[in-house]
Amino acid sequence: DAMVIQNPRYQVTQFGKPVTLSCSQTLNHNVMYWYQQKSSQAPKLLFHYYDKDFNNEADTPDNFQSRRPNTSFCFLDIRSPGLGDAAMYLCATSRAGGNQETQYFGPGTRLLVL
Amino acid sequence: GQNIDQPTEMTATEGAIVQINCTYQTSGFNGLFWYQQHAGEAPTFLSYNVLDGLEEKGRFSSFLSRSKGYSYLLLKELQMKDSASYLCAVKGDTGFQKLVFGTGTRLLVSP
Repeated sequence: DAMVIQNPRYQVTQFGKPVTLSCSQTLNHNVMYWYQQKSSQAPKLLFHYYDKDFNNEADTPDNFQSRRPNTSFCFLDIRSPGLGDAAMYLCATSRAGGNQETQYFGPGTRLLVL
Repeated sequence: GQNIDQPTEMTATEGAIVQINCTYQTSGFNGLFWYQQHAGEAPTFLSYNVLDGLEEKGRFSSFLSRSKGYSYLLLKELQMKDSASYLCAVKGDTGFQKLVFGTGTRLLVSP
């Protein structure tokens, strides 16, 4: 089945220790997104890739970076996680140019910072 | 600015009908989505409206009025498994599919 996959589902890291979250997709969508979602809050867009073009949201901290080595994979790097970065991180994909351009989400990675 | 308003929480009984409202003020409008999100899980797509009117999909229907900046999600024949958060999201400016999400409405279905 075509899908969006995130690994790991749960990630524990230490304060200040770099961490990388992974996302892959078999939908062959050209747009990939990273969202941060804290408890009882709306998903907050961090950045997105339109093909290879990287787009950063204005309020995304410099501590967060992303890589997209190919169409299928996208990574979220948190250089120096703080306690406030503990959240669910959602990866999503969509196909640009379609009529509806629905975003499809992966199961998320819950990050815990100790 | 961009603003999406939804009630924080609603309760309903199994078998009943519930309507979850969403009002929005965004720069531009290119469609409104409803997503369902169970606790600790990713949002799953429910419906999409871009023209005024009602879209029906099984037990779920979604309505849009662009002139009023208003949408609702109607859930019929409620089941326990419908207990979840329901997120309203608007696609605003053209050129990119950025979604502005509401904080979600937590629905609790009781027996």
